[in-house]
Amino acid sequence: DTEVTQTPKHLVMGMTNKKSLKCEQHMGHRAMYWYKQKAKKPPELMFVYSYEKLSINESVPSRFSPECPNSSLLNLHLHALQPEDSALYLCASSQDISAGVANEQFFGPGTRLTVL
Amino acid sequence: DAKTTQPNSMESNEEEPVHLPCNHSTISGTDYIHWYRQLPSQGPEYVIHGLTSNVNNRMASLAIAEDRKSSTLILHRATLRDAAVYYCILRDENNQGGKLIFGQGTELSVKP
Repeated sequence: DTEVTQTPKHLVMGMTNKKSLKCEQHMGHRAMYWYKQKAKKPPELMFVYSYEKLSINESVPSRFSPECPNSSLLNLHLHALQPEDSALYLCASSQDISAGVANEQFFGPGTRLTVL
Repeated sequence: DAKTTQPNSMESNEEEPVHLPCNHSTISGTDYIHWYRQLPSQGPEYVIHGLTSNVNNRMASLAIAEDRKSSTLILHRATLRDAAVYYCILRDENNQGGKLIFGQGTELSVKP
């Protein structure tokens, strides 16, 4: 199974709402990632988790709160978002965070978030 | 992070070869060249990677210039399903962060 699943597929939320995005993989990968992608732009890295610990935070505002409860699951908790946070949120996983070999990242289909 | 430059868009005819160029003049000796593509309404997917030698896999071939300042992704027979944005990414062998830094990519359209 080489699939990364993300739920929900679409999410509409108000600026005062709290919601969560979920990501799951069963490939035994120990690195998981959140990316944000605006329309017609490339994905931008937000967070990296390595062995369930936060490894990289790319200066993401605190209204985005990641969580990795176990090696298969990755959540992104959302609170007090702004309309400019509307985007496609992509989750990915890889064997680990080492470079030097392919260590390809497997991406989910994303959650399309609209903030009203 | 070393930067890559790609054409914004390219067109191809179905069943013809496609050569997608990428310039990376500031590449360092420990940078691997990775290619990912993103089909419409999907997340990116890995295509191929290489360091110095040309590489082939079931999806594509990667031709790397001798000075490593440029590379070309080759799709041998384009199909309609190959219409996607193709990203050329440099990844440092010493990078322990797992980062993929996406550039603007090339949007490939395939005509029947």
